[in-house]
Amino acid sequence: EIVLTQSPATLSLSPGERATLSCRASQSVSGYLAWYQQKPGQAPRLLIFDASNRATGIPARFSGSGSGTDFTLTISSVEPEDFAVYYCQQRINWPLTFGGGTKVEIK
Amino acid sequence: QVQLQESGPGLVKPSETLSLTCTVSGGSISTYFWSWMRLPPGKGLEWIGRIYSNGNTNYNPSLKSRVTISVDTSRNQFSLQLASVTAADTAVYYCARGEKIYCGGDCFDSWGQGTLVTVSS
Repeated sequence: EIVLTQSPATLSLSPGERATLSCRASQSVSGYLAWYQQKPGQAPRLLIFDASNRATGIPARFSGSGSGTDFTLTISSVEPEDFAVYYCQQRINWPLTFGGGTKVEIK
Repeated sequence: QVQLQESGPGLVKPSETLSLTCTVSGGSISTYFWSWMRLPPGKGLEWIGRIYSNGNTNYNPSLKSRVTISVDTSRNQFSLQLASVTAADTAVYYCARGEKIYCGGDCFDSWGQGTLVTVSS
């Protein structure tokens, strides 16, 4: 199965700063990578599908890039509501797999 | 807007079968893929398996021998059964809908809130 490794595990930022989250795959997933946001006690929310496409209703400050094995989720200017855990997920091979998550916390 | 809600026992004894149901409201269960995921404490998300509205299933090989997913279109529900559970199956369990236009059902655009299932005697 494809292993997704997210880094860093925790990212401490102040509101207004730029967030850069990484997801590395153990083998190429082409562009078939999604990103999710999960806040405590809430369901995960789809942010990005196929590496760079924002899901419906997702603000433009969220952007995704990458292909093959290296992917990045960028939050251009972190808002207070963006402090959460972020997961990547590949869909090129079964079983579908997720990364271990990056927690974006308030500095 | 479609909503999903998991239901079932929060405590299951070792060696017994975990059973959960996901009720879909605000939309039809037809022509979509429906998945189960879980989040064990201190770990990442794990995809358990999925079912299409016609009953076709796909399972994670790591759990395939113990998992059954079924669908009841008349009730707009689908269900998870996980047999012979151990403490390692303790997790928050989520149901989710597969996004069908862009992801072919393999990414997830609607999720339930999740339900904690603890395996303990």
